[in-house]
Amino acid sequence: SAVISQKPSRDICQRGTSLTIQCQVDSQVTMMFWYRQQPGQSLTLIATANQGSEATYESGFVIDKFPISRPNLTFSTLTVSNMSPEDSSIYLCSVRPGSSYNEQFFGPGTRLTVL
Amino acid sequence: QKEVEQNSGPLSVPEGAIASLNCTYSDRVSQSFFWYRQYSGKSPELIMSIYSNGDKEDGRFTAQLNKASQYVSLLIRDSQPSDSATYLCAVNMNTGFQKLVFGTGTRLLVSP
Repeated sequence: SAVISQKPSRDICQRGTSLTIQCQVDSQVTMMFWYRQQPGQSLTLIATANQGSEATYESGFVIDKFPISRPNLTFSTLTVSNMSPEDSSIYLCSVRPGSSYNEQFFGPGTRLTVL
Repeated sequence: QKEVEQNSGPLSVPEGAIASLNCTYSDRVSQSFFWYRQYSGKSPELIMSIYSNGDKEDGRFTAQLNKASQYVSLLIRDSQPSDSATYLCAVNMNTGFQKLVFGTGTRLLVSP
């Protein structure tokens, strides 16, 4: 499976600021996704990061709040904008390498705390 | 009805026993099914995938799929304390980018 890294691994931020999370994969992958996992909850898909075009957002998530870039097949960023304490969560990058079986793998995650 | 449902647990089993984790899903045309293991403070790790009806075995893990009943399960034989984790069932929805939808997870506790 692909090796996925995320930066930062954790951060503590002030209300109203923004944080950009980076996701790097060691090989080209077909699809990249961003998830959120709130404390004690399961995973919720934020958006699918599309290479060279705008991300596809799930219901309840908007580009102004969670802008996403994917300039190539190995890298993506997620920005959490104008943060509030409700944004405190673990943010996970996930990739689908492109095999025919749709297996999906997760990065180590970014633990965000907003004060 | 939730798209993917799991009993949140905790499911407690003694060491050496078989742990049985269950999951039901709502989308009849789903084709791909996955089990992830998530240790506390860690990200989900893919441990099993299954695509056709029946059983699929990998070491101590067996995934079972019954598409007619929209049911998928994970059996862990000879459970070890190191198996204590939350197990997430995920189903590939047959829409758009075929996104994965996750259940809420079942917490498994294996006691020595």
